[in-house]
Amino acid sequence: GENVEQHPSTLSVQEGDSAVIKCTYSDSASNYFPWYKQELGKGPQLIIDIRSNVGEKKDQRIAVTLNKTAKHFSLHITETQPEDSAVYFCAASRKASGGSYIPTFGRGTSLIVHP
Amino acid sequence: DTGVSQNPRHKITKRGQNVTFRCDPISEHNRLYWYRQTLGQGPEFLTYFQNEAQLEKSRLLSDRFSAERPKGSFSTLEIQRTEQGDSAMYLCASSSRNQPQHFGDGTRLSIL
Repeated sequence: GENVEQHPSTLSVQEGDSAVIKCTYSDSASNYFPWYKQELGKGPQLIIDIRSNVGEKKDQRIAVTLNKTAKHFSLHITETQPEDSAVYFCAASRKASGGSYIPTFGRGTSLIVHP
Repeated sequence: DTGVSQNPRHKITKRGQNVTFRCDPISEHNRLYWYRQTLGQGPEFLTYFQNEAQLEKSRLLSDRFSAERPKGSFSTLEIQRTEQGDSAMYLCASSSRNQPQHFGDGTRLSIL
């Protein structure tokens, strides 16, 4: 099955700095890569996603890059703010029966942004 | 869009008891997923429905676990004869075709 490694497990930055979280995956059949933000006591919330036919995608302060050959993808957050503090999960998804996607999640990165 | 709703938010029970959780997906979503999340880990896939049909089940879903979605709307997840290792957050998500999954805030299960 799919195996997703995520690093670092904890990331501490000063407000305004950039934050980078990296993930690797093992199954070359995975072709959809969502990123989720999870705040304490809440469910994961999708922040950005990328499909395997795209190398990079940007949405305001958030960008994701994908290297299919090397099987790694990264999340970049620029101009970090205290409200960005949360746990971030990457996922690599395979096609499931019926056409949906089933994600395998990394173990998460706890991002702390100090004001 | 009222979001994915899960009830109860918290459940405390004694080992050996049965528990049932409910998930109400976003109304226009025909796909519904269950996950389990333990402390310090990402969500782990349990099972997936498209309408009322259960299309995939993870090997994590032991014989003590059963999920239903009888009318293709809300879903229930039942755990029979609960064990200490069942303590976790149980998350539900829903989606429609070609759309990402939206998660509820989960049911936290604690086994005494």
